[in-house]
Amino acid sequence: AQKITQTQPGMFVQEKEAVTLDCTYDTSDPSYGLFWYKQPSSGEMIFLIYQGSYDQQNATEGRYSLNFQKARKSANLVISASQLGDSAMYFCAMREGWNSGGSNYKLTFGKGTLLTVNP
Amino acid sequence: NAGVTQTPKFQVLKTGQSMTLQCAQDMNHNSMYWYRQDPGMGLRLIYYSASEGTTDKGEVPNGYNVSRLNKREFSLRLESAAPSQTSVYFCASSEGPGQRYEQYFGPGTRLTVT
Repeated sequence: AQKITQTQPGMFVQEKEAVTLDCTYDTSDPSYGLFWYKQPSSGEMIFLIYQGSYDQQNATEGRYSLNFQKARKSANLVISASQLGDSAMYFCAMREGWNSGGSNYKLTFGKGTLLTVNP
Repeated sequence: NAGVTQTPKFQVLKTGQSMTLQCAQDMNHNSMYWYRQDPGMGLRLIYYSASEGTTDKGEVPNGYNVSRLNKREFSLRLESAAPSQTSVYFCASSEGPGQRYEQYFGPGTRLTVT
């Protein structure tokens, strides 16, 4: 079973509108972290936002927020007021196992969602 | 600060040739990683180094070796390149283990094996 599922291969949004990118995850470890990364066409991976499994509040970083629903195992990224520069591939990733030894280090990535912002 | 740097940016190899991908970070991070990214897929971990002097296999280690030369540098070696190793390779670093530490990525190396 996939540990990170991003069901939207591609999304379109109008400039200045909000958009939600979906991410569901699968883990039996009670302690984990969830990350979103942006990959523009230039290829670099840019960290956007982090949510810990024990965090009580949803994470926010500027125009990015994470809609964390622990019982549903979802960690959707919300981008408010989309800009043309937001057009990129977006990856959801999970890091498990504070106490799980080796797996503590690995980021497991989803396959990504390609976001296109239209003017 | 340059962050995470990788050399080379592009490389073409013939099957059976060897090469080393270089990675360095200037953020005084303890942990470093090598990932590969194939079309239509997210990144997959090849090897990681939790701290200077240690290395461990990740999800797809076959055909690769690594060296943690010092705290700053972590190299990835392909001893006998195969077409299946055509990919984009990313080096990353983080302050340490633990899930709250984000990983910072280098710009990537695009490798083609013919």
